[in-house]
Amino acid sequence: NAGVTQTPKFRILKIGQSMTLQCTQDMNHNYMYWYRQDPGMGLKLIYYSVGAGITDKGEVPNGYNVSRSTTEDFPLRLELAAPSQTSVYFCASSVGLADRDTQYFGPGTRLTVL
Amino acid sequence: AQSVAQPEDQVNVAEGNPLTVKCTYSVSGNPYLFWYVQYPNRGLQFLLKYITGDNLVKGSYGFEAEFNKSQTSFHLKKPSALVSDSALYFCAVKPGANNLFFGTGTRLTVIP
Repeated sequence: NAGVTQTPKFRILKIGQSMTLQCTQDMNHNYMYWYRQDPGMGLKLIYYSVGAGITDKGEVPNGYNVSRSTTEDFPLRLELAAPSQTSVYFCASSVGLADRDTQYFGPGTRLTVL
Repeated sequence: AQSVAQPEDQVNVAEGNPLTVKCTYSVSGNPYLFWYVQYPNRGLQFLLKYITGDNLVKGSYGFEAEFNKSQTSFHLKKPSALVSDSALYFCAVKPGANNLFFGTGTRLTVIP
């Protein structure tokens, strides 16, 4: 299994541009998550999904959108990029949403907005 | 409010010496506790977790963590540090079904 894969690895955007961060998992996990990691900070949850067709907001959803049309894919969209969205973005997945489930993370996408 | 604190931004230890990376938490109820490690340009890798049972949890790469309910702590430990253990370590707590709250991370440097 490849696990959780993310593309691209790096991206530079201009203010106001849009882009989609791709995330795919091949573990048949129902639950998927998007986090951002700012320098010197822990991860913050942006959005999560409990299954195809179902998404919900996390701690910091403003400026982002997600969709979950398949079990495998959970893309994150930035519509109007702002410098405050400069961060490293991690996608994760887990078998279930139960408290004890371990989340598996992708390698991250480093985004810079200038 | 839920929170996780890692009081040390940086921990330096000599190779072969024991290491401890500290974590304390403040959540309601009985949380589940996790440690993750992040190597440069990589995603987080799961090390270990505490759900219930023995307070001493053993995980990957020889790491272990001790859950202390009275002190609300979950410190990560290893008896003998390796240079390859140098990385960024994150403590996380899951007080409910959805969110996983992460600490700000501790950078561990093992000196040869």
